[in-house]
Amino acid sequence: NAGVMQNPRHLVRRRGQEARLRCSPMKGHSHVYWYRQLPEEGLKFMVYLQKENIIDESGMPKERFSAEFPKEGPSILRIQQVVRGDSAAYFCASSPGQYNSPLHFGNGTRLTVT
Amino acid sequence: DAKTTQPTSMDCAEGRAANLPCNHSTISGNEYVYWYRQIHSQGPQYIIHGLKNNETNEMASLIITEDRKSSTLILPHATLRDTAVYYCIVREPNAGNNRKLIWGLGTSLAVNP
Repeated sequence: NAGVMQNPRHLVRRRGQEARLRCSPMKGHSHVYWYRQLPEEGLKFMVYLQKENIIDESGMPKERFSAEFPKEGPSILRIQQVVRGDSAAYFCASSPGQYNSPLHFGNGTRLTVT
Repeated sequence: DAKTTQPTSMDCAEGRAANLPCNHSTISGNEYVYWYRQIHSQGPQYIIHGLKNNETNEMASLIITEDRKSSTLILPHATLRDTAVYYCIVREPNAGNNRKLIWGLGTSLAVNP
């Protein structure tokens, strides 16, 4: 059973470009979470999605960031007009949705903005 | 803010048991305690979780005190590959179906040969 798949593993963008990060949840999981981790810091919640719905985006910056989880295909985290401060590791997690079922994480996308 | 307190770092000799403590004095009655670990450059790995009773799986044991204000993760025979940052997490209260987890800085465990 494949785990959570994230791609690309590493992404380099110049300031002002767009970054698109993809996440395919584990088979049978319909809940997806995105987290951001800066060097030497813990994970920070960004957004929680179920199929075609954003449930909680309280951790998302108000501008330039968006997320989707369409009926078909992976979840996408999009960052427009990237700035150097967006450089971080972005992790996706999925769960089947049962109460207190644990999250399972991918190995992340490391975004570097030059 | 994270609802848990953990030591910043710990050392353990290879082959010995590693006991990682966590304080969660404000835990609510129906909140579970989760443990994850993060090996350098990888995503967090789920280890174990529990509510009241002690739990054991193929990776570790979780001991939760009777008042549920603290817990200990036990790696019975630590290996070098267990060197990682270990996170103790209590789910945010009133989260409903949202399994959003609030992460602290964890304990950096170094297993030494």
